[in-house]
Amino acid sequence: DTGVSQDPRHKITKRGQNVTFRCDPISEHNRLYWYRQTLGQGPEFLTYFQNEAQLEKSRLLSDRFSAERPKGSFSTLEIQRTEQGDSAMYLCEGGANVLTFGAGSRLTVL
Amino acid sequence: QQQVKQSPQSLIVQKGGISIINCAYENTAFDYFPWYQQFPGKGPALLIAIRPDVSEKKEGRFTISFNKSAKQFSLHIMDSQPGDSATYFCAAEGAGSYQLTFGKGTKLSVIP
Repeated sequence: DTGVSQDPRHKITKRGQNVTFRCDPISEHNRLYWYRQTLGQGPEFLTYFQNEAQLEKSRLLSDRFSAERPKGSFSTLEIQRTEQGDSAMYLCEGGANVLTFGAGSRLTVL
Repeated sequence: QQQVKQSPQSLIVQKGGISIINCAYENTAFDYFPWYQQFPGKGPALLIAIRPDVSEKKEGRFTISFNKSAKQFSLHIMDSQPGDSATYFCAAEGAGSYQLTFGKGTKLSVIP
């Protein structure tokens, strides 16, 4: 148990559908990151929250992607109008001083 | 533009040997250099990290060597074990930024 839970672990969807992923860090995790990882690549930064404030967002992030962290607890990452290129593992990382990754949510877009 | 270049892409080492993975970076604003270990189906896990004010950091069998002038850093795994077989990623973060930039990874196989 890494202390960071992600749900669902695997999502299969058709192109054009919207999907939402959830990340639950433990309560002391004021810092929260979302990354995307494709096969054979390192994680790619998407966005960063400190408590409920979204402080940084990748310039590479399409406007189809949006993330929220209401009340500075759990976070959601929504992808609208999914494309086949969105197929990847979506990783959440949370922590205060030491950061921990969750196991990820794998998205397959058909 | 890839800001952190990692090599080799894959590495096979015999049990008890030394595994060496190298990374080079371009952005001189980077000031934090972690290494991560990732097993299949799991998220990456932080192994060890270094800041540029030191040239070497050791934790157990894992050592980071850092060469600021060459803009290179490397991970050494001493006495490599089959349980070390995983994908290793180097990364870098710049001062004033929250973005970690990862290398493409090295798949390490330690054979008995």
